[in-house]
Amino acid sequence: GIQVEQSPPDLILQEGANSTLRCNFSDSVNNLQWFHQNPWGQLINLFYIPSGTKQNGRLSATTVATERYSLLYISSSQTTDSGVYFCAVANQAGTALIFGKGTTLSVSS
Amino acid sequence: DAGVIQSPRHEVTEMGQEVTLRCKPISGHNSLFWYRQTMMRGLELLIYFNNNVPIDDSGMPEDRFSAKMPNASFSTLKIQPSEPRDSAVYFCASSLLYTEAFFGQGTRLTVV
Repeated sequence: GIQVEQSPPDLILQEGANSTLRCNFSDSVNNLQWFHQNPWGQLINLFYIPSGTKQNGRLSATTVATERYSLLYISSSQTTDSGVYFCAVANQAGTALIFGKGTTLSVSS
Repeated sequence: DAGVIQSPRHEVTEMGQEVTLRCKPISGHNSLFWYRQTMMRGLELLIYFNNNVPIDDSGMPEDRFSAKMPNASFSTLKIQPSEPRDSAVYFCASSLLYTEAFFGQGTRLTVV
């Protein structure tokens, strides 16, 4: 099945710093989503982005489907950005999302 | 819309007991997914349904696990008998086919 690799596994930032999270996948996809799992365990939708670039406030994402990767940019990070960021993809063979292992982000003030 | 609704939010049960987790998908969505999250294995797909029909149950760990979707607005995941290694957070998600999926708040299951 399709493989999803996220990097880095852990990231520690000072408030105000910028960061880039990466997601590599092993096959073509028709769905790619970024999620933030907050400290209460809730999975929050950030982006639905099988291709192209989107922005939402301090967050933006880019997926280059032909090169099989996606990037999540967080600018001017805040302590509330802390948590685990997951990339999940679905390929042509099915509709269910397959998750990466996540990037754990810690932002300190 | 209230989003995907799961119940109960927390469940503590004794080994050997039957456990039933419930999910109400977003109205109008025709795909429903059950996932399990553990520290060791991360988020793993258990089973998913399209138009109430199970499509892929290869992620269901054992015959002790079963899932049903009797109609478009309700699904259950049952574990019988439960074991301590089943302790995890179980998520339900729904989507329109091939589009953005939305997750419920999860059920934290503890089997003692």
